[in-house]
Amino acid sequence: GAGVSQSPSNKVTEKGKDVELRCDPISGHTALYWYRQSLGQGLEFLIYFQGNSAPDKSGLPSDRFSAERTGGSVSTLTIQRTQQEDSAVYLCASSLVGSPDGEQYFGPGTRLTVT
Amino acid sequence: EDQVTQSPEALRLQEGESSSLNCSYTVSGLRGLFWYRQDPGKGPEFLFTLYSAGEEKEKERLKATLTKKESFLHITAPKPEDSATYLCAGADGTASKLTFGTGTRLQVTL
Repeated sequence: GAGVSQSPSNKVTEKGKDVELRCDPISGHTALYWYRQSLGQGLEFLIYFQGNSAPDKSGLPSDRFSAERTGGSVSTLTIQRTQQEDSAVYLCASSLVGSPDGEQYFGPGTRLTVT
Repeated sequence: EDQVTQSPEALRLQEGESSSLNCSYTVSGLRGLFWYRQDPGKGPEFLFTLYSAGEEKEKERLKATLTKKESFLHITAPKPEDSATYLCAGADGTASKLTFGTGTRLQVTL
């Protein structure tokens, strides 16, 4: 079956512009996660959605970052007024049940470059 | 603060040369220790979950083990196609996220 998909695969933007990154999770997966992977760094948790519960936003690095999940499926990560330090690969994952009991399936990521 | 440390950062093996990757963790009330494989330009691919000390899991040439402080990923007689970055992550008793290590880049040559 189809895995997690993300779009765009690559995004180049100018400093100060807003960007939107999209994630389509595996159908039926109730949990959805966003992570950020910078060069030489481990994956950094950003935000977690589980069903209709309030999202866990504890990993968002600043108020320029926000995310929403519509209809319990597709999610959008928005970065406002992008900065060069936002350059990274943004990964989305979904699981059948909430972590840690459900293995997370990752998408291919969106590589964001802020110039 | 939860922390996961992996060693070595990089490992180069010849085909057939067995070795082990280390993952040490300090995760409050560990509920699961995860191993993932990541190929260049791709998202991580799930390999194993270990839940308690003494647990072992195997898949082809890979075997993961868990103690109270660390996990090992043993690679037996590796092949070039095993070349990838191997990531370790821990989930604590209350958090909804995984804490990842920075990975071990494995290269297996002929």
